[in-house]
Amino acid sequence: ELKVEQNPLFLSMQEGKNYTIYCNYSTTSDRLYWYRQDPGKSLESLFVLLSNGAVKQEGRLMASLDTKARLSTLHITAAVHDLSATYFCAVDGGSNFGNEKLTFGTGTRLTIIP
Amino acid sequence: DTGVSQDPRHKITKRGQNVTFRCDPISEHNRLYWYRQTLGQGPEFLTYFQNEAQLEKSRLLSDRFSAERPKGSFSTLEIQRTEQGDSAMYLCASRSRTGVLGANVLTFGAGSRLTVL
Repeated sequence: ELKVEQNPLFLSMQEGKNYTIYCNYSTTSDRLYWYRQDPGKSLESLFVLLSNGAVKQEGRLMASLDTKARLSTLHITAAVHDLSATYFCAVDGGSNFGNEKLTFGTGTRLTIIP
Repeated sequence: DTGVSQDPRHKITKRGQNVTFRCDPISEHNRLYWYRQTLGQGPEFLTYFQNEAQLEKSRLLSDRFSAERPKGSFSTLEIQRTEQGDSAMYLCASRSRTGVLGANVLTFGAGSRLTVL
């Protein structure tokens, strides 16, 4: 069974600092997704990484994928309060399987402290 | 288009009662998904539809759970004889057939929160 693990589960950061969230998964897949969830709200798609070595950046967030290591990272640069949220990574069966099911990690709850 | 709509947003029910949730996906999206999210966890896949066909339902949690999408537009998720362990957020999501190279970039609704007393 596919497992997706994130660490840390909780992260408090000071504004202006940099940090990285890690996502490990247990099966071969070349597709990884990052979603954001604000408290009481639904999930919002941030990034989709579709191949080994893929890197995507949006504002202060940058995501990368290493399919050989089965690892994705979400790097936060110079954190600001607006980034406080829970971040989920998710994996599906990969582009060769047409797998419609996303398996999510347990999430990383990020709190940015002024 | 206002995105994926779910109704009701909150439902409180007594154990043993039946509940039904409705999802209206983005109109041009032919794929529709149901996920369940419990407190402090990531969403858990339940089932999905391609148009009106339910193509994966093995993850529905028990035979008390059923889902339909009769005309390939809106969908319903019904839970019969609810139990306290059914308390969770039920999320609906949709996507188009081809968006983002066929990848599972989903648009989620705001969810229906179920509390079973």
